[in-house]
Amino acid sequence: EVQLVESGGGLVKPGGSLRLSCAASGFTFSIYSMNWVRQAPGKGLEWVSSISSGSSYMRYADSVKGRFTISRDNAKNALYLQMNSLRAEDTAVYYCGRDSAEVDYWGQGTLVTVSS
Amino acid sequence: DVVMTQSPLSLPVTLGQPASISCRSSQSLVYSDGNTYLNWFQQRPGQSPRRLIYRVSNRDSGVPDRFSGSGSGTDFTLKISRVEAEDVGVYYCMQGTHWPTTFGQGTKVEIK
Repeated sequence: EVQLVESGGGLVKPGGSLRLSCAASGFTFSIYSMNWVRQAPGKGLEWVSSISSGSSYMRYADSVKGRFTISRDNAKNALYLQMNSLRAEDTAVYYCGRDSAEVDYWGQGTLVTVSS
Repeated sequence: DVVMTQSPLSLPVTLGQPASISCRSSQSLVYSDGNTYLNWFQQRPGQSPRRLIYRVSNRDSGVPDRFSGSGSGTDFTLKISRVEAEDVGVYYCMQGTHWPTTFGQGTKVEIK
């Protein structure tokens, strides 16, 4: 069974940093591209970042470019999102998802709240 | 960026009646490999999104056959043949053909 479990969310002050993790199991993690998608409270879905299976490419939404860094460790079946210079508008539930073009599986999400 | 426009944004339906959601893209979603990467997701209240349909019309495993997807190019539709109580939630289309990946605004389906 495919499982994606996010962790690392929490309350952080504006300008602060946070690192999200996504633990993957039930499939061959190393052959899939992966994504982060977020959802602000009461709002729709917004793609944040994607990384290819072998980390040869990373892409970012303009809203997070230069502040967020996506990475992965295929040996540990783990996906990460390093978030720096956080702003109030980054407050959202962050989901990891499998496959960039089709996002066939989603985690349960982790809540990031940016507030003073 | 490719803009995905859904309509309606709110859809009150009677149990057992059909429902239809439109999704239009600002550019053709046909990729160079011939595939059209248009997906539909369901998000029930308090839950993560769940994919229902991929590549326009392919139903995911476990998705009831009352859900169907159709369309081509820039114009796509999700249909529910007979709405059940468990179908309440928000439905999103998403294109994965062009970078960046973009979602529609979401359509809230509720029971009248």
